[in-house]
Amino acid sequence: EIVMTQSPATLSVSPGERASLSCRASQSVSSSLAWYQQTPGQAPRLLIYGASTRATGIPARFSGSGSGTEFTLTISSLQSEDFAVYYCQQYNNWSPYTFGQGTKLEIK
Amino acid sequence: EVQLLESGGGLVQPGGSLRLSCAASGFTSSSYAMSWVRQAPGKGLEWVSAISGGGGSTYYADSVKGRFTISRDYSKNTLYLQMNSLRAEDTAVYFCAKGVAVLTGTSFDYWGQGTLVTVSS
Repeated sequence: EIVMTQSPATLSVSPGERASLSCRASQSVSSSLAWYQQTPGQAPRLLIYGASTRATGIPARFSGSGSGTEFTLTISSLQSEDFAVYYCQQYNNWSPYTFGQGTKLEIK
Repeated sequence: EVQLLESGGGLVQPGGSLRLSCAASGFTSSSYAMSWVRQAPGKGLEWVSAISGGGGSTYYADSVKGRFTISRDYSKNTLYLQMNSLRAEDTAVYFCAKGVAVLTGTSFDYWGQGTLVTVSS
């Protein structure tokens, strides 16, 4: 099973600033990496797939990069609605699909 | 508009059974793989089970293999998860999630709002 490790567990950033969230895979997942956003009481929302492709309707301030084992989600200028928990997920060696443990992005 | 609506959650005793349903609309269900993903209270996401668009291939996490069964009814556009021999550690919100292709092994572009399963005596 591929283990996904996200860092940091919690990130404190001020509105308008840039945030960078990391995700590391225990072995290469090529570009088969997705990022999801989850706000309290809500379902996850797909932000990025294929490591760097924004999903439909996702603002351009969200961007993804990386391949192999190292990935980054960058939010260029934080808006109030961006403070949430973010999960990465690999689907390369997909059975099982595995998620990272999440990064909580909180207001500084 | 794609919509996924789960139902069937509730309180069940350890060792009991429950069947979850996920009613889908807004897309041709046979064209997309579907999964169940769960989230224990205050915890992260855990994939549980997946089924291909045609229904011929099913997959399970080791933690539920032999106890849970995924299926789908195309006439009703509904996905199911039959859960038997439930344990306290199965307590979670269960989400159904739509894949982006007929085969499994993709990201999930739509999710339902989830249904809570509580296993407790």
